[in-house]
Amino acid sequence: DAGVIQSPRHEVTEMGQEVTLRCKPISGHDYLFWYRQTMMRGLELLIYFNNNVPIDDSGMPEDRFSAKMPNASFSTLKIQPSEPRDSAVYFCASSLRRNSYNEQFFGPGTRLTVL
Amino acid sequence: GQQVMQIPQYQHVQEGEDFTTYCNSSTTLSNIQWYKQRPGGHPVFLIQLVKSGEVKKQKRLTFQFGEAKKNSSLHITATQTTDVGTYFCAGYSSASKIIFGSGTRLSIRP
Repeated sequence: DAGVIQSPRHEVTEMGQEVTLRCKPISGHDYLFWYRQTMMRGLELLIYFNNNVPIDDSGMPEDRFSAKMPNASFSTLKIQPSEPRDSAVYFCASSLRRNSYNEQFFGPGTRLTVL
Repeated sequence: GQQVMQIPQYQHVQEGEDFTTYCNSSTTLSNIQWYKQRPGGHPVFLIQLVKSGEVKKQKRLTFQFGEAKKNSSLHITATQTTDVGTYFCAGYSSASKIIFGSGTRLSIRP
């Protein structure tokens, strides 16, 4: 398996533009997570899905952020409109829950810069 | 709300010295996981602890889960340069909440 795939790996955009980050989880995994990492705030869980259904979106910073998982093999995180403070590395992770065991596999991340 | 505090924020040690990072949760956890992130990389799963008082070892790494399931530690014996990175704990609550600690960045003097 190729692991969790994220695209793009780098994104530079201007303030006010829409940004869409994409994630393909590991095949067969039933959980998908979106994280944001910055020096100031560390690693923050934004939202996670179980079987394509959002379970906890309390980490989504504001209405400018939205996440979807239309099927088991694809998810998007959208920021509209983007702001400079959204600059961060965004990670997607997936896991397969077996009893209480649910190791998360992280993708390589998307480095977003909003000018 | 639920918080997971991790200390220290940074640790700089001489190669061969030991290293410990601690996580403390404001609420009882159902389980806790530890991850390592190399500079420029992504977090990689190390281990999961589920039982009260559980201790697990991976070569030079020792992981502990407190009796009250509110704290955990990672201890590295005789650090090596390959141990460089940031170590995160991730606490899972019974309310389906997942909170990562702020991480401890380990740097090593050869």
